[in-house]
Amino acid sequence: AQKITQTQPGMFVQEKEAVTLDCTYDTSDPSYGLFWYKQPSSGEMIFLIYQGSYDQQNATEGRYSLNFQKARKSANLVISASQLGDSAMYFCAMRDLGWRAQKLVFGQGTRLTINP
Amino acid sequence: DTAVSQTPKYLVTQMGNDKSIKCEQNLGHDTMYWYKQDSKKFLKIMFSYNNKELIINETVPNRFSPKSPDKAHLNLHINSLELGDSAVYFCASSHEGDRVNYGYTFGSGTRLTVV
Repeated sequence: AQKITQTQPGMFVQEKEAVTLDCTYDTSDPSYGLFWYKQPSSGEMIFLIYQGSYDQQNATEGRYSLNFQKARKSANLVISASQLGDSAMYFCAMRDLGWRAQKLVFGQGTRLTINP
Repeated sequence: DTAVSQTPKYLVTQMGNDKSIKCEQNLGHDTMYWYKQDSKKFLKIMFSYNNKELIINETVPNRFSPKSPDKAHLNLHINSLELGDSAVYFCASSHEGDRVNYGYTFGSGTRLTVV
């Protein structure tokens, strides 16, 4: 069964600093996908970045990068040069992608606050 | 054009009432989902439909019934609403044949408050 763990309920970071949000996962399927979503105070779920288990390179999307360490089963999100608008809830999620893709399972979330 | 649209955005109702939430996607996706986000922000899947066929039905009270008239629509009907049903309900869709990214596109959510 898939399991996602985010151990940081809240993070406080100074504007312009880089921030790392932790995520560990557990699955027995060798094929899986890892995702990060952002949920601002307005409530919508915004897709940020995706990493496939067989991808050789760490995923990057603008200021977002995913530090994928397969042996440690971790998929941390790194936000460079943080901005006030980055303040939000961040969710790590995963799907097993075996013979039939399974449901997207979410971690508990991390509330990120960027201080000016 | 909104990719996944849910209506209504807010719903306040009394205990015991029956209500529906509607969801439509214009992405051409073949699979749609309902998720519930509780007061602690935890997101849990409730149902999933693939081409109008129910494929995921988590442990959800029988008072919740999804209906998919076609692959672009997935509605959620809730009977005899209880205080504990208060939450944000998200609709989402995905295309299961997409080899690049198996991510979901989410609607903006429906905040249901039962009083």
